[in-house]
Amino acid sequence: DIQLTQSPSFLSASVGDRVTITCRASQGISSYLAWYQQKPGKAPKLLIYAASTLQSGVPSRFSGSGSGTEFTLTISSLQPEDFATYYCQQLNSYPFTFGPGTKVDIK
Amino acid sequence: QITLKESGPTLVKPTQTLTLTCTFSGFSLSTSGVGVGWIRQPPGKALEWLALIYWNDDKRYSPSLKSRLTITKDTSKNQVVLTMTNMDPVDTATYYCAHRGDLGIGKYFDYWGQGTLVTVSS
Repeated sequence: DIQLTQSPSFLSASVGDRVTITCRASQGISSYLAWYQQKPGKAPKLLIYAASTLQSGVPSRFSGSGSGTEFTLTISSLQPEDFATYYCQQLNSYPFTFGPGTKVDIK
Repeated sequence: QITLKESGPTLVKPTQTLTLTCTFSGFSLSTSGVGVGWIRQPPGKALEWLALIYWNDDKRYSPSLKSRLTITKDTSKNQVVLTMTNMDPVDTATYYCAHRGDLGIGKYFDYWGQGTLVTVSS
């Protein structure tokens, strides 16, 4: 199985801050990576797919980059509605593993 | 528009078999390339991918749970069913189904159901 790690696990930030979350894969996954946002009691929401493509309807302050084994999700200017947990997922090979998540909280 | 909804028991006893149904609309599971998957999330923990079935009846399972899982589809009813045998309290989780669609540069889980919480307890 391909293992995904995320850093940091927890992030405290203020509105307007630039936030970067890293996802690392235990082996190369090309660009087959997705990022999700999840708010308490809600289903995950697809933000980014193919490592860097913004899903329709997602604000442009979200961006993704990377390929191979290292990926980043960046929020250019954190908004109140962005406080949530973020997960990466690899879809290069089965099983389609998820990262452990990064919780973004209000400072 | 695409919607999915999970249904099934909210409480099962240890050793019992869990049967969950995902009922969807807005797409057909007979369309080439389309898949429906199941993902679960224990309370306060991370997401875990469980299983996936494709339009051509190709099925994929998490290796760690493969012996306990069965995924099937009923295209005429727009439903996907997941069964998990020998349930244990550690299987307590919210179970989600999700549509895996072709976004042009790969297939990703772009639509999710609201999830259903299953508690395993005697």
